[in-house]
Amino acid sequence: DGGITQSPKYLFRKEGQNVTLSCEQNLNHDAMYWYRQDPGQGLRLIYYSQIVNDFQKGDIAEGYSVSREKKESFPLTVTSAQKNPTAFYLCASGFGGGTGELFFGEGSRLTVL
Amino acid sequence: AQSVSQHNHHVILSEAASLELGCNYSYGGTVNLFWYVQYPGQHLQLLLKYFSGDPLVKGIKGFEAEFIKSKFSFNLRKPSVQWSDTAEYFCAVNAATDDMRFGAGTRLTVKP
Repeated sequence: DGGITQSPKYLFRKEGQNVTLSCEQNLNHDAMYWYRQDPGQGLRLIYYSQIVNDFQKGDIAEGYSVSREKKESFPLTVTSAQKNPTAFYLCASGFGGGTGELFFGEGSRLTVL
Repeated sequence: AQSVSQHNHHVILSEAASLELGCNYSYGGTVNLFWYVQYPGQHLQLLLKYFSGDPLVKGIKGFEAEFIKSKFSFNLRKPSVQWSDTAEYFCAVNAATDDMRFGAGTRLTVKP
């Protein structure tokens, strides 16, 4: 089936540890995105990538890092510098070029203990 | 960067009532506008979109939205809601680029 796969679905981390969330898509989309979803705040853009080996910061990039070495993959690393990392993280992809429609994964819930 | 405001955090309606959810955006140039919906336990999915042309756009499940450029608004409407419309609704905008911004969302509860 075509779609976006995020893993893991649930993740627990101790303070001070980095953690990487995986996002893979087989929709042949050029653009990929990471959002953070917190109650009452909607989806806030962390990073996005329009093409392989290129990505841009969104509104809340501090404490996060990404890579885009392959078209299908856009992993997000939550570093120890992120002050409030407990959240629900959503990955999305789209054809890009301003066409807009995004397709979302199931999300990953990160809890920092 | 563009931003999106949704006026209502939680709306509670009875079945058959009419719905209007407000959305305003801030950006002076050309924008593409979207409404997404997240049903309980499901992925976010596209409800409808506006790129250009007729400012009244129709989406799935009887939803429609009107783009009013002078008011920077893109309100979502449905004449008669059903219990199955219970969900969270997100307005989103991109400025003809790829950086899609979302509003805070409006939770709709429809009482049977």
